[in-house]
Amino acid sequence: QAVLAQPSSLSASPGASARLTCTLRTGINIGTYWIYWYQQKPGSPPQYLLRYKSDSEKQQGSGVPSRFSGSKDASANAGVLLISGLQSEDEADYYCLTWHSGAWVFGGGTKLTVL
Amino acid sequence: QLQLQESGPGLVKPSETLSLTCTVSGGSISSSSYYWGWVRQPPGKGLEWIATTYYSGSTNYSPSLKSRVTMSVDTSKNEFSLKLSSVTAADTAVYYCARHEAVAQGYYGMDVWGQGTTVTVSS
Repeated sequence: QAVLAQPSSLSASPGASARLTCTLRTGINIGTYWIYWYQQKPGSPPQYLLRYKSDSEKQQGSGVPSRFSGSKDASANAGVLLISGLQSEDEADYYCLTWHSGAWVFGGGTKLTVL
Repeated sequence: QLQLQESGPGLVKPSETLSLTCTVSGGSISSSSYYWGWVRQPPGKGLEWIATTYYSGSTNYSPSLKSRVTMSVDTSKNEFSLKLSSVTAADTAVYYCARHEAVAQGYYGMDVWGQGTTVTVSS
């Protein structure tokens, strides 16, 4: 079982909100983990969006719109990226990242389709 | 504004060593505020962390690649490098260099990325 699990795909309509999840493997408590989020469009490098540990420990990436926000769903043991007011330009792959057992680990990525 | 630029051969033969360099511009690689890393992405697949280093030489390696990877820093050229030995077709990927922000307990995840360079392993 992978350390970080992401749904392979998600679809949402323009103007709506998209909730992307990044679930930590069973047995690993998300409470103390930083979760990072990246957006990647075809042919481009990943772009850092934000990092989130708690409401008092979080950082928005430079120039990243506030409609991108991070949180945690403790009941699901998951990090959450919420994108509000979806725009066509938000269509991309989204990856989460965390540091676990001495290594950086990426989730498998979610392809977000805006239609 | 800090920028990272990868460079190196686009084609490497199986069993040989892949060598890449990342040149840092708009900032100093010797800054105590940052660490420097490598990430790769096979065609059509997700991201994989390879290694991260500090200018002083302290380095963390991916457990799955540790036996084949070496990172180094050249402060005089403001660049850092990656060597991956005994490559196979599975090492074919886009290789990105990236920056990490240092923190008291270590460093955060990657926040600035290079454009990436494609490396193909083939005879």
